[in-house]
Amino acid sequence: DAKTTQPTSMDCAEGRAANLPCNHSTISGNEYVYWYRQIHSQGPQYIIHGLKNNETNEMASLIITEDRKSSTLILPHATLRDTAVYYCIVRALGQNFVFGPGTRLSVLP
Amino acid sequence: EAGVTQSPTHLIKTRGQQATLRCSPISGHTSVYWYQQALGLGLQFLLWYDEGEERNRGNFPPRFSGRQFPNYSSELNVNALELEDSALYLCASSLGRGYTFGSGTRLTVV
Repeated sequence: DAKTTQPTSMDCAEGRAANLPCNHSTISGNEYVYWYRQIHSQGPQYIIHGLKNNETNEMASLIITEDRKSSTLILPHATLRDTAVYYCIVRALGQNFVFGPGTRLSVLP
Repeated sequence: EAGVTQSPTHLIKTRGQQATLRCSPISGHTSVYWYQQALGLGLQFLLWYDEGEERNRGNFPPRFSGRQFPNYSSELNVNALELEDSALYLCASSLGRGYTFGSGTRLTVV
């Protein structure tokens, strides 16, 4: 079973920041937080991952709370192409990824 | 650098037949993972191969099987196909951290 809880769906206006929350209250010390997204009927795409520090790359930022029990993925300027299902996954090295239902993000014009 | 490639893109089979799906990982990646995604549903973990060995298996019946070849490519075989096996089958490869997914094979069982 997935070890994360995410809202089923969210809307975001085009050009605004999209903030996607994820709860992982049972995360272990050696588990990383990963974010993937899946655009309709394509393979999931890696976005970002982190252990305990905040991370930023060209796609997004990942904010992990100090107790590591929750995190937020931030898409700073959402576009229509960011409409997708976003998956938050916790996973230790050597384990396979377990995908939950994710959050369906709709970016509205 | 070529990504993860899967073939065929689409496959139509009759109930009771066998299906073979193929996956070529990113060069240098030794782990291959297979997932099933039925229409409108989430990704369900099927199989994990690393260095030619099966490392983990999801909650699927034995008629779902596979193997990994010395060049790290992989094959997923589904025997005695049932209508419920219709799904997008996704392959991913990894060197240990994040996965890179292929575009999938859409299997339709009629």
